[in-house]
Amino acid sequence: AQTVTQSQPEMSVQEAETVTLSCTYDTSESNYYLFWYKQPPSRQMILVIRQEAYKQQNATENRFSVNFQKAAKSFSLKISDSQLGDTAMYFCAFSLGEYGNKLVFGAGTILRVKS
Amino acid sequence: DTAVSQTPKYLVTQMGNDKSIKCEQNLGHDTMYWYKQDSKKFLKIMFSYNNKELIINETVPNRFSPKSPDKAHLNLHINSLELGDSAVYFCASSQRTGANMAKNIQYFGAGTRLSVL
Repeated sequence: AQTVTQSQPEMSVQEAETVTLSCTYDTSESNYYLFWYKQPPSRQMILVIRQEAYKQQNATENRFSVNFQKAAKSFSLKISDSQLGDTAMYFCAFSLGEYGNKLVFGAGTILRVKS
Repeated sequence: DTAVSQTPKYLVTQMGNDKSIKCEQNLGHDTMYWYKQDSKKFLKIMFSYNNKELIINETVPNRFSPKSPDKAHLNLHINSLELGDSAVYFCASSQRTGANMAKNIQYFGAGTRLSVL
């Protein structure tokens, strides 16, 4: 079965500090993609960052970076210099990139950035 | 221009009614999806269409029927609404084939909050 586990239901961080959100997944496939999506109170789903499983280099997007450990099936998100606008629910997800291409989501982590 | 647009944003209705949610994407993508987000915020795929062909049909009651008149539109019709259908429904699109396939990124609409009373 393909599953995604986010073990931290809620986290908080002070503005300007760094926080790491955890994610583990389970699949027997070798070709897949990993994502972090952000859902602010507006409920819009916004792509934060994407990682292709065949690439060893960790993806980065400005203040957002991932630590991708393929053998451990771990895909954590690091947010540097946290801003109030980062307050949101964060979802880890993966897709197989094959026929169907559906996203399988974790349960989400609520991140609160405090001033 | 909104890339993936859903209408309506909010839908309040009585049990037993039939309702539809519409979705349109102007990204030129060949694949569209419906996801359901329940009251605990858990997101799960319901359906996917590729070039108007149904390619994913998860375990969803047959009261839910997707329809894709063309590859830019994917509507969701729900018959005999039940209390448990209350949720946020998201439409999404992506490009599965061609030069941009490797990007494999799904773009989401703003969601439709359905409340069944």
